[in-house]
Amino acid sequence: QVTLRESGPALVKPTQTLTLTCSFSGFSLRTTGMCVSWIRQPPGKALEWLARIDWDDDKFYNTSLKTRLTISKDTSKNQVVLTMTNMDPVDTATYFCARTSRIAGAGGRNYYYMDVWGKGTTVAVSS
Amino acid sequence: DIQMTQSPSTLSASVGDRVTISCRASQSISDWLAWYQQKPGKAPKLLIYKASSLESGVPSRFSGSGSGTEFTLTISCLQPDDFATYYCQQYNSYIFTFGPGTKVDMK
Repeated sequence: QVTLRESGPALVKPTQTLTLTCSFSGFSLRTTGMCVSWIRQPPGKALEWLARIDWDDDKFYNTSLKTRLTISKDTSKNQVVLTMTNMDPVDTATYFCARTSRIAGAGGRNYYYMDVWGKGTTVAVSS
Repeated sequence: DIQMTQSPSTLSASVGDRVTISCRASQSISDWLAWYQQKPGKAPKLLIYKASSLESGVPSRFSGSGSGTEFTLTISCLQPDDFATYYCQQYNSYIFTFGPGTKVDMK
């Protein structure tokens, strides 16, 4: 059974750095094709993908946020960490992590989709 | 980045109705599209991947179709548990993007 759980502070102050941890079980980031993504959702708004880290340590970031985001993994602990710098009240949201699995496409290219999600952790940014 | 749009933004329906939600990509994404269902206070749940492939355990009343830039999620016979918000998401690009969501509420 695949499970993911997000953890981190419930409240951060503006300009601070947010550090979130995704702890997972039921799969391994040592396995070829396995990845973990982070997604967020401000209250009452749509989902926004933030970042992805792959089994081979490839990393991908949201274009608008990439200067503020860093994603990393600790394979031995089955954890993925996301840091976001210079937090602002508009970053108030529920943050989710999701297993991201590979599916083969034509011409040898691979594609990745988010198939199992954690419950999310709510982060408020306020002074 | 690839932009995703959905219509309608809200859909009022009754139990037993056939419901159709549309999703459009700003450029061709082949069939690299997923659909998610989200209920208030819960995480999104994968329903459909690769535009028309039903995720394991998802009821067969859900179906997806389309390719290129135009996609559809259909619920053949709406059940009480289906009142929720639905999101499409493309993964043709390494930069994933979601649609703005369609809320299905009770008429």
